[in-house]
Amino acid sequence: GAGVSQSPRYKVAKRGQDVALRCDPISGHVSLFWYQQALGQGPEFLTYFQNEAQLDKSGLPSDRFFAERPEGSVSTLKIQRTQQEDSAVYLCASSLGGEQYFGPGTRLTVT
Amino acid sequence: AQSVAQPEDQVNVAEGNPLTVKCTYSVSGNPYLFWYVQYPNRGLQFLLKYITGDNLVKGSYGFEAEFNKSQTSFHLKKPSALVSDSALYFCAVRPYGGSQGNLIFGKGTKLSVKP
Repeated sequence: GAGVSQSPRYKVAKRGQDVALRCDPISGHVSLFWYQQALGQGPEFLTYFQNEAQLDKSGLPSDRFFAERPEGSVSTLKIQRTQQEDSAVYLCASSLGGEQYFGPGTRLTVT
Repeated sequence: AQSVAQPEDQVNVAEGNPLTVKCTYSVSGNPYLFWYVQYPNRGLQFLLKYITGDNLVKGSYGFEAEFNKSQTSFHLKKPSALVSDSALYFCAVRPYGGSQGNLIFGKGTKLSVKP
């Protein structure tokens, strides 16, 4: 594909529901990152994969957040029992080293 | 703590005038520095990066940035602004350098270029 794609682009969840956000990185990119961008703020790091290995998950805000990349390509960020403070844009980025290429993001609204 | 500061929430410039968007950083070691631009409902787009070498780096769309180690700054510049440059600009740093690892972003600066 031409770039990083994410789905869905928009997600509305009722508080307490589980959500799953998908990221398709650029083909061949070894590194994959998830960021959370709150309204009016810069993106904040959540977690990082190199191939299928999750090398850093220090940015995940709670144990309700879980990410996986089982085959070293597509990644899923799962949020269990969503809370209002989880409302944000979730950005995925992939990289071969050097600059990161970002997807359009998934805007999650928890009501 | 490692951080990136963008001291201006908004920068207003007249079309054709030079623009500067400021960024300072506080990290350990020799960081890699980046600028990204974000248009509404679109992902972040890479503009330019500094890794090593010449302190003035040139990037996409006529933008350039100057790395100043003593002032720990990496200001974004363009000699002549266009209305189409209006967007949200983010400075970012990867601590410790290296080819891997997450980015730390500033909170962003909204650039408004008026005709």
